[in-house]
Amino acid sequence: GAVVSQHPSWVICKSGTSVKIECRSLDFQATTMFWYRQFPKQSLMLMATSNEGSKATYEQGVEKDKFLINHASLTLSTLTVTSAHPEDSSFYICSERGLVGDNEQFFGPGTRLTVL
Amino acid sequence: QKEVEQDPGPLSVPEGAIVSLNCTYSNSAFQYFMWYRQYSRKGPELLMYTYSSGNKEDGRFTAQVDKSSKYISLFIRDSQPSDSATYLCAITGEGYQGGKLIFGQGTELSVKP
Repeated sequence: GAVVSQHPSWVICKSGTSVKIECRSLDFQATTMFWYRQFPKQSLMLMATSNEGSKATYEQGVEKDKFLINHASLTLSTLTVTSAHPEDSSFYICSERGLVGDNEQFFGPGTRLTVL
Repeated sequence: QKEVEQDPGPLSVPEGAIVSLNCTYSNSAFQYFMWYRQYSRKGPELLMYTYSSGNKEDGRFTAQVDKSSKYISLFIRDSQPSDSATYLCAITGEGYQGGKLIFGQGTELSVKP
């Protein structure tokens, strides 16, 4: 399966600051990546679909101005949490689809964000 | 009605037991089915991917799909403490909303030595 990395794995920041999370596809070019957030004991919640070279598609209820997604290359997508608040503390996970025509997704290791 | 229903557990079994994890779904257009394993504070790991009714086996894991009943299962034979994790079912359809997956709530499994 595909190999996806995320950086950083854990970040602590002060309220009001911005945090950038990187998601990299290590083994092939990913035209589509997905960003999820996960609260403790809960399932994954899709935040947005990131398409290389175009604007991301956000799920209903997700503030696009707060969660900025950039997918400038086929191997890198970034999620920036702007003006972070304690309620943004969560586990953020990216994924990429398999090869063209496949429907499974391969996930990164996740980034734990703690906002103080 | 949720698109995918999964019993959240928690489920606790002794080592060596056969584990059965299940999901039901509501939309017959869904035709691709996945099982993911997620250890605490880690990203989900794809265990099984199938798209037809019947069984698919990989080592100690068997994925079963019954499209007529809209019911999918994951069986774990000879369960090990290392199998302790949360198991998530995920489904999608051909071209469904740009490749989105619909996840179940996840079942937390604990295998006791």
